[in-house]
Amino acid sequence: DSGVTQTPKHLITATGQRVTLRCSPRSGDLSVYWYQQSLDQGLQFLIQYYNGEERAKGNILERFSAQQFPDLHSELNLSSLELGDSALYFCASSVGTSGISYEQYFGPGTRLTVT
Amino acid sequence: GNSVTQMEGPVTLSEEAFLTINCTYTATGYPSLFWYVQYPGEGLQLLLKATKADDKGSNKGFEATYRKETTSFHLEKGSVQVSDSAVYFCALKQARTDKLIFGTGTRLQVFP
Repeated sequence: DSGVTQTPKHLITATGQRVTLRCSPRSGDLSVYWYQQSLDQGLQFLIQYYNGEERAKGNILERFSAQQFPDLHSELNLSSLELGDSALYFCASSVGTSGISYEQYFGPGTRLTVT
Repeated sequence: GNSVTQMEGPVTLSEEAFLTINCTYTATGYPSLFWYVQYPGEGLQLLLKATKADDKGSNKGFEATYRKETTSFHLEKGSVQVSDSAVYFCALKQARTDKLIFGTGTRLQVFP
């Protein structure tokens, strides 16, 4: 158990809908990362937050957004869903940021299926 | 741009066989290199890491050496067990950034 929790574990929804994925980092970790794992794109970095502020952006679509709240939990919002958004979404957390090789601890993931 | 290339899987081995999973990278400067493991139905776990050239990362019998001259970070284990069956991901992280860039993953299947 990494200490990172993600809810829900599974999500099935229809095209055009909007969903919210939630992540609670390990106690004491200030950085939260979101990654998408799909069959065609592999594991890709989406976005990072550090202590409530956006820190880095990767291949995140404009239909997707995220935020980190004062209690440090994070939510990833996916809207106008398409079939191609079906994937496993991982959250990870680490103690700090700024390039030092802090270990990233991964949650178990949320499997999103868009029908 | 930065990228990681891993050997295609699945890699199928008998218990106690020697394991090598190849990983090469393309990056500017001096990235940190990682191996993550994903067991069925679980998230990724850091297996080992190396932060500079010639460093050797090791954990649970697995080893990998950061070779800058060949831009490689091959994963090895002398004697695999059935419980090592999982997907292994090689990844890099550039200095002054936090995002991990992953390879495509290599599935290892170990049979008794």
